[in-house]
Amino acid sequence: DTEVTQTPKHLVMGMTNKKSLKCEQHMGHRAMYWYKQKAKKPPELMFVYSYEKLSINESVPSRFSPECPNSSLLNLHLHALQPEDSALYLCASSQGQTQTQYFGPGTRLLVL
Amino acid sequence: DAKTTQPPSMDCAEGRAANLPCNHSTISGNEYVYWYRQIHSQGPQYIIHGLKNNETNEMASLIITEDRKSSTLILPHATLRDTAVYYCIVRLAVQGAQKLVFGQGTRLTINP
Repeated sequence: DTEVTQTPKHLVMGMTNKKSLKCEQHMGHRAMYWYKQKAKKPPELMFVYSYEKLSINESVPSRFSPECPNSSLLNLHLHALQPEDSALYLCASSQGQTQTQYFGPGTRLLVL
Repeated sequence: DAKTTQPPSMDCAEGRAANLPCNHSTISGNEYVYWYRQIHSQGPQYIIHGLKNNETNEMASLIITEDRKSSTLILPHATLRDTAVYYCIVRLAVQGAQKLVFGQGTRLTINP
């Protein structure tokens, strides 16, 4: 089983809203990732968590706030986003940081 | 950072072998080559990876040249469902962590 789940599938939010994206895996993986993918572009890494600690932040603006409350769960808290933040947000996990990453289906976010 | 170069698009007839090339001339000795594909804005799907030796699994074969500067992904009997964007990625070791840096990928179209 290599399933990573993400909720919600779609999200529309205004620039003053606060929302959260959720990612879950039950494969016992200890590394989890957030990627952002704009239309017709490849995914770009945002954050890496390893053993529930943030190990990479790719200079992401502070309006994106990741959280890893336990080894199965990864959240991305969104606040005061801009329309250019509209994108597909992908979560991935891997057994360890040197192992294969498995991706979820993504959350399609539209900021109005 | 090792980068990858892929043709932007390719066509292949259904039932034939699809051979997708990738150049990674600056790859380091301990960097793996990964292949993922993405079907119409779903999450990227892992296909195969390798370091030095050729690899085969139920989805595809990966041929890596002896100097490791290029590789080829082979889908032996392409079907219409193999139409997707295929990404060749070198996994990089950064700040004690590992990350995938996606290139632009090859849009593979399987024709009936």
